[in-house]
Amino acid sequence: AQKITQTQPGMFVQEKEAVTLDCTYDTSDPSYGLFWYKQPSSGEMIFLIYQGSYDQQNATEGRYSLNFQKARKSANLVISASQLGDSAMYFCAMSPYYGGSQGNLIFGKGTKLSVKP
Amino acid sequence: DAGVIQSPRHEVTEMGQEVTLRCKPISGHDYLFWYRQTMMRGLELLIYFNNNVPIDDSGMPEDRFSAKMPNASFSTLKIQPSEPRDSAVYFCASTATGAGEQYFGPGTRLTVT
Repeated sequence: AQKITQTQPGMFVQEKEAVTLDCTYDTSDPSYGLFWYKQPSSGEMIFLIYQGSYDQQNATEGRYSLNFQKARKSANLVISASQLGDSAMYFCAMSPYYGGSQGNLIFGKGTKLSVKP
Repeated sequence: DAGVIQSPRHEVTEMGQEVTLRCKPISGHDYLFWYRQTMMRGLELLIYFNNNVPIDDSGMPEDRFSAKMPNASFSTLKIQPSEPRDSAVYFCASTATGAGEQYFGPGTRLTVT
């Protein structure tokens, strides 16, 4: 069965510094997709970044990058130059499909990031 | 373009009452998902549809829960009778085949007293 583990319930980071949020996953399937979502206090789920299991390069989207280490089954999110607006819950998720999310997304428990001014 | 639309945004009801949550997916998306978020269990899938057909309903808690998708632009999640343990945020999400991420609606916060 697929599983996502986020071991950091909460983290603090100083404004303008970089922060890494950890995510490990477990699957026996060679095809899968990894996602990160942000959930601010207002409650909506905001997609941040995607990495497919066959993608050779780490995904990047603006200040977000995904440190994908396939052999270690880790997909850590790196946020550079943290901003106060980055304070939120962050969820790592896995789809059983490469290139899309048409199946069930398995979510981790989340990491609460607090950015200090 | 409008995103996923959910209604109502908040619902407070008494135990035993019927509750209906509504969702309009993004136009052109052929997959629709219903998730539930609680502090104890996190985000979990309840059911999902492909081309209006239920594909996996293994996450539906029990017979009190039912979901329908009568057409490509509308889905409902019904709880009858509701119980206090059903209190949660219910999200609807949609995506298209091979399109990438799931797009989430704003959620419905349900409180059952």
